Amino acid sequence: KAGVTQTPRYLIKTRGQQVTLSCSPISGHRSVSWYQQTPGQGLQFLFEYFSETQRNKGNFPGRFSGRQFSNSRSEMNVSTLELGDSALYLCASTLEGQEAFFGQGTRLTVV
Amino acid sequence: DQQVKQNSPSLSVQEGRISILNCDYTNSMFDYFLWYKKYPAEGPTFLISISSIKDKNEDGRFTVFLNKSAKHLSLHIVPSQPGDSAVYFCAALESGGYNKLIFGAGTRLAVHP
Repeated sequence: KAGVTQTPRYLIKTRGQQVTLSCSPISGHRSVSWYQQTPGQGLQFLFEYFSETQRNKGNFPGRFSGRQFSNSRSEMNVSTLELGDSALYLCASTLEGQEAFFGQGTRLTVV
Repeated sequence: DQQVKQNSPSLSVQEGRISILNCDYTNSMFDYFLWYKKYPAEGPTFLISISSIKDKNEDGRFTVFLNKSAKHLSLHIVPSQPGDSAVYFCAALESGGYNKLIFGAGTRLAVHP
């Protein structure tokens, strides 16, 4: 059974640009969540999607957005990138009410 | 406002001994707790979980204890192995909060031969 797949693994962007990250959940998992990990703030929840609907959102500015497709794949977008957006972005998929399984993450560097 | 706290940034243990990682929480609405292990530049790996209706859950070398009255949980690893060296995160789910995990800051465990 394939795990959670995140693409790309590494990304370098310039300030002011936008970026789109992709996540394919474990087959059968309809919930996809996104997290940001930085040295200063730790692991922070961005948002969660279930059956193409955003059910929960963390405390991040509107520059951070996401969506989920009918096949449960999800994308997150960050617009007008800032240096502080440099982080490891993690996607997790969940069978409702059970443990979340994480992908390898996308390391975003903003220069 | 940290709802999940891991007050020990690091822990060093000798191989074969017990590792005890601690976690405190403040939100009474948390009803499910999880432990994850993480290596640098990788995603967290699920280790073990416990529901708030239990006080202990065991899986091989890993045991999680939950003390609801003290809002405290701990992860015991026995015996510790060098391969256990990683950062361990405690996480909590709020009742009705869907799948939003609230993480602690993590504890770096080093197991020495």
